[in-house]
Amino acid sequence: AQSVSQHNHHVILSEAASLELGCNYSYGGTVNLFWYVQYPGQHLQLLLKYFSGDPLVKGIKGFEAEFIKSKFSFNLRKPSVQWSDTAEYFCAVVTGFQKLVFGTGTRLLVSP
Amino acid sequence: GAVVSQHPSRVICKSGTSVKIECRSLDFQATTMFWYRQFPKQSLMLMATSNEGSKATYEQGVEKDKFLINHASLTLSTLTVTSAHPEDSSFYICSASSGVHTEAFFGQGTRLTVV
Repeated sequence: AQSVSQHNHHVILSEAASLELGCNYSYGGTVNLFWYVQYPGQHLQLLLKYFSGDPLVKGIKGFEAEFIKSKFSFNLRKPSVQWSDTAEYFCAVVTGFQKLVFGTGTRLLVSP
Repeated sequence: GAVVSQHPSRVICKSGTSVKIECRSLDFQATTMFWYRQFPKQSLMLMATSNEGSKATYEQGVEKDKFLINHASLTLSTLTVTSAHPEDSSFYICSASSGVHTEAFFGQGTRLTVV
């Protein structure tokens, strides 16, 4: 069965620090990959997605992610975080059956 | 992005009663809707996938007679938790998609507490 691993459960950073959140998936076929964010008290929102093409994907709010097929990874990065980036981040993969499989999430706390 | 509205956002019910949760796509036609359950400090677990006009497909381990899903129109899907028990207390989230390889939009979730 498909699975998604997020290695960092809690991350604490100071403003302006760089961020990288790890995501690995297990599925041998074609996958579509997503990063979602959930700000406190809000819906899940899409940060970025990868379907095909350039493996370096740019999303909203300065986030980007790189798909490395050989490593089954789709790590999320941001060069300089802000206090407003405090949220929970979920990596997800969808297979040909349209079902989203989520990782366990990473809680990011950015201190001002 | 598109809007998915989930109602109610919170509900408390007595053990043994049934609770219905609605998921509506407000500005697009959702051919597929998904129902997730999120346990505290855990990820979202897919419960079932519903396509408009057909029976829902349940994930392994999810009781279809307990979690009734109806997707009667392209804008509405409902999840009914029947004969609720305290262990059904959880956060239920729906998402809606208009097709394959398109983004799924999420509702705000429903916090169910069974007392």
